[in-house]
Amino acid sequence: EAGVVQSPRYKIIEKKQPVAFWCNPISGHNTLYWYLQNLGQGPELLIRYENEEAVDDSQLPKDRFSAERLKGVDSTLKIQPAELGDSAVYLCASREGGYTGELFFGEGSRLTVL
Amino acid sequence: GENVEQHPSTLSVQEGDSAVIKCTYSDSASNYFPWYKQELGKGPQLIIDIRSNVGEKKDQRIAVTLNKTAKHFSLHITETQPEDSAVYFCAASIAGGGADGLTFGKGTHLIIQP
Repeated sequence: EAGVVQSPRYKIIEKKQPVAFWCNPISGHNTLYWYLQNLGQGPELLIRYENEEAVDDSQLPKDRFSAERLKGVDSTLKIQPAELGDSAVYLCASREGGYTGELFFGEGSRLTVL
Repeated sequence: GENVEQHPSTLSVQEGDSAVIKCTYSDSASNYFPWYKQELGKGPQLIIDIRSNVGEKKDQRIAVTLNKTAKHFSLHITETQPEDSAVYFCAASIAGGGADGLTFGKGTHLIIQP
């Protein structure tokens, strides 16, 4: 069974440019998360979806970050415009619905902003 | 909100010896405590978890203990092997005990010396 798939794995852009990351969760997983992981730190939640509904986006910097999960499957995270401080790994994770489902992470998208 | 402290930041042990990583949490309402292993270039992977109604849980060479009174929990790895080398993250959740609302520690880089 395929795991959580993310692309691109690596992205280098100039500051003020836009960037987008894509995530395909494990088949059948209703809950999808985007996490930010800075170097030497643990993951920090940006947004959580239940199917196509964003149920927790309190930590998403909405002035430059946006996310969508239109059909309740794939998701896209966008940054526009990117800043130097956005350099980090963006992790997507998913789990089955319900109380005790295990969280499965993708390999992440590493962003470098120059 | 929840605050999770993790120690040590780096741990070097001889192959075959035991390794212990400790975490403390601040919110007494937390009741779900997973541990994740992250290898270089990969996403975190769940290795073991414990809920607040249990004091200890074991899975082969890995065990986790929880002290709710003191608000700390620990990961124990016995008979360490080279493939145990990775970064380990503890986490705590106040969101009803599931994988939602996880707050992660900053991680421990475990190095297994041959």
